[in-house]
Amino acid sequence: TQLLEQSPQFLSIQEGENLTVYCNSSSVFSSLQWYRQEPGEGPVLLVTVVTGGEVKKLKRLTFQFGDARKDSSLHITAAQPGDTGLYLCAGEAGGTSYGKLTFGQGTILTVHP
Amino acid sequence: KAGVTQTPRYLIKTRGQQVTLSCSPISGHRSVSWYQQTPGQGLQFLFEYFSETQRNKGNFPGRFSGRQFSNSRSEMNVSTLELGDSALYLCASSLTAGETQYFGPGTRLLVL
Repeated sequence: TQLLEQSPQFLSIQEGENLTVYCNSSSVFSSLQWYRQEPGEGPVLLVTVVTGGEVKKLKRLTFQFGDARKDSSLHITAAQPGDTGLYLCAGEAGGTSYGKLTFGQGTILTVHP
Repeated sequence: KAGVTQTPRYLIKTRGQQVTLSCSPISGHRSVSWYQQTPGQGLQFLFEYFSETQRNKGNFPGRFSGRQFSNSRSEMNVSTLELGDSALYLCASSLTAGETQYFGPGTRLLVL
């Protein structure tokens, strides 16, 4: 069974601070997605990474996929109150794991003005 | 292009009843996956359909079932509802398995 360990589970910071969320597994994933979810809504895709060592930037968000494709991180620079939400990492194993994403437990981020 | 739509958005049922949830994928997407989200367990994979065939199934009891129609729309059914089935049920579509999944807004099911 593949597992994704996401940390930290909760993060409460002041506006302007930087933060990093980690997603780790002992299994290899063919791709990894990061989503952000608001209460009562579905997850909204932020990024997909597929190549080991890949780094993608989305404005103040930087995503990295580990060289061995077992881990990933999300770094937010100068966090803003609008960044508040639940951040989820999700990996797809590929092969015969058709359509199955394995999710981390999520990180609840609160950015205080 | 319209996103993934799910109906209904909210549903209240009582124990023992059954429920059917509907999902319309993004136009052109042929793979539909279903997930259950609860505070305790997070997001868990239920099953995936492609071209009207279930290709993958998660670790849920047989009370949970689904199907996909020729237009790629999908439904999931839960029979003999239990209190623990209260959750947000999410549908996601992708062009095919292995491609990025895009989620709908979910159906919030409350079982009393």
